[in-house]
Amino acid sequence: GENVEQHPSTLSVQEGDSAVIKCTYSDSASNYFPWYKQELGKRPQLIIDIRSNVGEKKDQRIAVTLNKTAKHFSLHITETQPEDSAVYFCAATRGTGTASKLTFGTGTRLQVTL
Amino acid sequence: EAQVTQNPRYLITVTGKKLTVTCSQNMNHEYMSWYRQDPGLGLRQIYYSMNVEVTDKGDVPEGYKVSRKEKRNFPLILESPSPNQTSLYFCASSSGQDNEKLFFGSGTQLSVL
Repeated sequence: GENVEQHPSTLSVQEGDSAVIKCTYSDSASNYFPWYKQELGKRPQLIIDIRSNVGEKKDQRIAVTLNKTAKHFSLHITETQPEDSAVYFCAATRGTGTASKLTFGTGTRLQVTL
Repeated sequence: EAQVTQNPRYLITVTGKKLTVTCSQNMNHEYMSWYRQDPGLGLRQIYYSMNVEVTDKGDVPEGYKVSRKEKRNFPLILESPSPNQTSLYFCASSSGQDNEKLFFGSGTQLSVL
């Protein structure tokens, strides 16, 4: 089955700096890579996703890049703000309509300091 | 409002006392699943269901049961809870069919003494 590794486990940045979280996956057939954000005491929520036919996707201050050859993908947050402090999970799955087989990474706790 | 509702939010029980955590979604989603979240281990899938009466094991199914008798409901059953099942549990649903976005419930913090 799929195995997703996520690094780092914790990340501290100053407000305004950029943050990068990296994930690698094992199944070359995986083709959908979402990122979820979990604020303290809250439920995970989808913030951005990318499919294997796209190399990069942006949504305001958030971007995700995908390198299929190396089987890794990354989350980039620019101009970080205190409200970006949360745990971020990457995930991977193959096929379409297959949320049931989504494999998550172990999470990155991002802290944005003033 | 579209949502996934889990109950209870907090539960303290003792070893061996059967319990059920309920999960209901009002979005007519086909896919539903259960995850447990433990420090350093991320979100691990327990069971999932692709539709009514169709369920399958995830990565950590031991000690758990599920049922999907109605499309909206997907309860998680612990027949004989043990302390190693102390965890934060999340139910999630998705419409499937090219839309893999998961909608999570608010979570259930379970402590088994």
